[in-house]
Amino acid sequence: QKEVEQNSGPLSVPEGAIASLNCTYSDRGSQSFFWYRQYSGKSPELIMSIYSNGDKEDGRFTAQLNKASQYVSLLIRDSQPSDSATYLCAVNSFFSGGYNKLIFGAGTRLAVHP
Amino acid sequence: EPEVTQTPSHQVTQMGQEVILRCVPISNHLYFYWYRQILGQKVEFLVSFYNNEISEKSEIFDDQFSVERPDGSNFTLKIRSTKLEDSAMYFCASTVGNQETQYFGPGTRLLVL
Repeated sequence: QKEVEQNSGPLSVPEGAIASLNCTYSDRGSQSFFWYRQYSGKSPELIMSIYSNGDKEDGRFTAQLNKASQYVSLLIRDSQPSDSATYLCAVNSFFSGGYNKLIFGAGTRLAVHP
Repeated sequence: EPEVTQTPSHQVTQMGQEVILRCVPISNHLYFYWYRQILGQKVEFLVSFYNNEISEKSEIFDDQFSVERPDGSNFTLKIRSTKLEDSAMYFCASTVGNQETQYFGPGTRLLVL
């Protein structure tokens, strides 16, 4: 069974701090990795995608990928109260015919307090 | 910016009734998906659809479920005889390429009584 693991949290950080979210995955064949943000009762909203080892930065967000350790992380700099949400790590999983689907972690709840 | 849309936003139905959830994927996308999320649980893959046929389905997607792309824009999920445990948020997603980012619609909250 292919799994994606995340700490459920809550991760509580003060406004302006760096929030660090982590994710591990079991399928070594995975090639695409995504971070989605989900507000309560809403749909997943893409924050970042990352496909190769190393760091990828987009504004206040940095995704880090280490395929050897099967580890993905998301850093949020200068955290704002509006960043308070559940952050979902998603990893692609291939099946027959070369098609793929996303396997989601359970999400980490982030709370940014003023 | 193009978006995936879904209707209805909420659906309440009686156990044993049929429901159809509708989605309009982003217009140039070729791969379509349904996921569901039971309250407090993970987002789970149900089915993927490409080139007018199912490319993969999960064990959740049993004979009670079906998908269809009846025209060039709509993508539907039908549950033939709903069960209490079908109560969940159902998300449609689409992507332009097989490994590309999947964009999610706002979801349909289904409540089976």
